[in-house]
Amino acid sequence: AQTVTQSQPEMSVQEAETVTLSCTYDTSESDYYLFWYKQPPSRQMILVIRQEAYKQQNATENRFSVNFQKAAKSFSLKISDSQLGDAAMYFCAYRSARETSGSRLTFGEGTQLTVNP
Amino acid sequence: DSGVTQTPKHLITATGQRVTLRCSPRSGDLSVYWYQQSLDQGLQFLIQYYNGEERAKGNILERFSAQQFPDLHSELNLSSLELGDSALYFCASSHPREHGDTEAFFGQGTRLTVV
Repeated sequence: AQTVTQSQPEMSVQEAETVTLSCTYDTSESDYYLFWYKQPPSRQMILVIRQEAYKQQNATENRFSVNFQKAAKSFSLKISDSQLGDAAMYFCAYRSARETSGSRLTFGEGTQLTVNP
Repeated sequence: DSGVTQTPKHLITATGQRVTLRCSPRSGDLSVYWYQQSLDQGLQFLIQYYNGEERAKGNILERFSAQQFPDLHSELNLSSLELGDSALYFCASSHPREHGDTEAFFGQGTRLTVV
């Protein structure tokens, strides 16, 4: 079974600074997807960024980028120019690519990010 | 707005009761997933349906059941409720494509409080 670990329960960053959230995972599969989801106080789960394991290039979405190290099974999220609206719980998630009919997400424990003005 | 609709948003009920949570997936999505988020268990996968058929089961209790209807909406039934069932229940949906599936889009969740 796959596992996802986020070793930082809490992180804080100054507004406009850069912060990196860590995530490691364990799997025996070679083809899979990794995601970062954001959960603000509204509790809505919002997709931040997605990475396909077969792609070597790291995904980027505006101020959000990932550092995907497949051999090390590491998938960190970098938030640049942090904004107050980035304050939220961030979840790293894994999904197998074995089935085209979809597959469950396995989530990490989450990292609570605080952005200080 | 993710396009996934969950009703109700909040539900308060007594122990021993039965409730039904409803989910309407994004238009065209065939897969529906149910997740439970609680303080002690984190985000846990419960069950997945694909085009009306049960596809995968996770940590779903026997007191819980789900189904997906021909119009693709889904319902999660929770019975003999216990205090520990209090949690946020999410529905998510996704759509198959050539390589893998689209990412899962989540509804806003149903906050269940058992008193």
